[in-house]
Amino acid sequence: SQTIHQWPATLVQPVGSPLSLECTVEGTSNPNLYWYRQAAGRGLQLLFYSVGIGQISSEVPQNLSASRPQDRQFILSSKKLLLSDSGFYLCAWSSGITGNTIYFGEGSWLTVV
Amino acid sequence: KNEVEQSPQNLTAQEGEFITINCSYSVGISALHWLQQHPGGGIVSLFMLSSGKKKHGRLIATINIQEKHSSLHITASHPRDSAVYICAVLYNNNDMRFGAGTRLTVKP
Repeated sequence: SQTIHQWPATLVQPVGSPLSLECTVEGTSNPNLYWYRQAAGRGLQLLFYSVGIGQISSEVPQNLSASRPQDRQFILSSKKLLLSDSGFYLCAWSSGITGNTIYFGEGSWLTVV
Repeated sequence: KNEVEQSPQNLTAQEGEFITINCSYSVGISALHWLQQHPGGGIVSLFMLSSGKKKHGRLIATINIQEKHSSLHITASHPRDSAVYICAVLYNNNDMRFGAGTRLTVKP
């Protein structure tokens, strides 16, 4: 069966420090991969999506970046965190076939202090 | 203006009541998802629709492609249904956009 793992689950980082959130998918190949952020009291916002290795589409200009070094690995990074980066980050995947259901990781709570 | 509009934003119901949450979108899509987010943050997909109607237990989801509108219904609501329900639309290029969510509270 397919599974998705995301880590770390929670982290507290000082302003200006780097960030790395990792997401891996098991049990499928060539998934579409997504990073979302949910700021406090707000809806989900698409940050990045990827339809293949090395293919990253960015939706919102910001100080975050994403990479897909392997087919089932998706990494969200920042060189210098801002206070406004605090929020709940979710990784998700769906099949490469358009219209298939989407599966979410457990989420990562980031607090920038 | 959000591409995906959900209503109501907040909903409080008594146990046993029939609940409807609505979602409207502005352009053609390939599929629509109804998601459930619990207080801990975890999200699960309830339904994926491209046409018609789907039912799972006490949950029913419908979509009208021509009117660009979908509804999520909960029959015989229960306190454990309390959560945030999110409508998400999937475009042909695999881009996905979300509604702001509906916070449902079901009181015993």
